[in-house]
Amino acid sequence: DGGITQSPKYLFRKEGQNVTLSCEQNLNHDAMYWYRQDPGQGLRLIYYSQIVNDFQKGDIAEGYSVSREKKESFPLTVTSAQKNPTAFYLCASSIDPLSLEQYFGPGTRLTVT
Amino acid sequence: GENVEQHPSTLSVQEGDSAVIKCTYSDSASNYFPWYKQELGKGPQLIIDIRSNVGEKKDQRIAVTLNKTAKHFSLHITETQPEDSAVYFCAASKAGGTSYGKLTFGQGTILTVHP
Repeated sequence: DGGITQSPKYLFRKEGQNVTLSCEQNLNHDAMYWYRQDPGQGLRLIYYSQIVNDFQKGDIAEGYSVSREKKESFPLTVTSAQKNPTAFYLCASSIDPLSLEQYFGPGTRLTVT
Repeated sequence: GENVEQHPSTLSVQEGDSAVIKCTYSDSASNYFPWYKQELGKGPQLIIDIRSNVGEKKDQRIAVTLNKTAKHFSLHITETQPEDSAVYFCAASKAGGTSYGKLTFGQGTILTVHP
């Protein structure tokens, strides 16, 4: 089965703790993306990576960090500097950075109390 | 930057009726307009898209129309079924050459189809 997996589906953390969200794809896609989704809002881009060992900030990168050491993996760390981390986080990928079609994973719902 | 406005925020229809969701965009250079369907607790799924060189595209019960002059595009679902109930997102992107095609999303429309 080819696709994008995100784990876990639900994640709970205490305020002040860093937490890392997993995103893995076996589609052999070059580009990967992280979005944040809040109720009643569209998806907002956090970070994106066009190729291994390279990534750029999106519209709301503050308080987040990423790495892209392997083509198939693009983990997102939500740091304690993120002021409002509770949200639904979506990972996506596309064949290459110029491809307009993005495919999404099932998401991780993070709750920070 | 690009701004995408989506209306309505909620839409309720009876099974068998048609549903129309509209989006407007601000950047006249945008040339790719996808629509995503998101079911509860899942990631968005691409259901149809249109590029700026086309005015209309159909796929069975769904269609998308694009008016470049007015900078708006719409999703049309005919003969709605309860399984069409979901959140629908529009997006806009400009891509070509060596530029990265960032997607800017609308706010989403919650569609409910009553049996």
